[in-house]
Amino acid sequence: AQKVTQAQTEISVVEKEDVTLDCVYETRDTTYYLFWYKQPPSGELVFLIRRNSFDEQNEISGRYSWNFQKSTSSFNFTITASQVVDSAVYFCALSVTYGNNRLAFGKGNQVVVIP
Amino acid sequence: DTEVTQTPKHLVMGMTNKKSLKCEQHMGHRAMYWYKQKAKKPPELMFVYSYEKLSINESVPSRFSPECPNSSLLNLHLHALQPEDSALYLCASSLRAGHTEAFFGQGTRLTVV
Repeated sequence: AQKVTQAQTEISVVEKEDVTLDCVYETRDTTYYLFWYKQPPSGELVFLIRRNSFDEQNEISGRYSWNFQKSTSSFNFTITASQVVDSAVYFCALSVTYGNNRLAFGKGNQVVVIP
Repeated sequence: DTEVTQTPKHLVMGMTNKKSLKCEQHMGHRAMYWYKQKAKKPPELMFVYSYEKLSINESVPSRFSPECPNSSLLNLHLHALQPEDSALYLCASSLRAGHTEAFFGQGTRLTVV
């Protein structure tokens, strides 16, 4: 079975501070995919990134960066110089190759950026 | 266009009503999904359609009835719902079912009274 753990439930930061969201996953499959989604108050989940298990390169996209480490089964997400518009719930998710079309979501991190 | 459009955005219905939620995408995606999300919880998968055929039903009660009339449209028919069915219902689509990224709509916020 697949499991995703996002331990921090709510994180408050002052604008311009950096914030890192931890994601730890469990799976027995050797081929799997990891995702991050953002859910602003409006409700839709916005796709941020997809990473497959064979690609451990870190990625940077603007103020967002991701650190994938298979050795620790972690796929952490950092927002640099946070802005009020970053206030949202962020979900880490995992899907595996075989048997299903399911995304296993973590419980989410509520990020509150204080102006 | 990476948009998934859901209507209505808000719905209030009585326990004896019949209503439908609609979802549309024009990205050529062949997998479409319904998720249910309660407050402060992650989305829970309800149904998956792959190439217009139902491929996954996560033991959802029969008062929820999905329909995929064509590759761009997905409906969720609601009948005799309970107050505990009140939630945000999210539609999503992906290029194919599995591990391609899914794009989500804004959801329908459903209240059952």
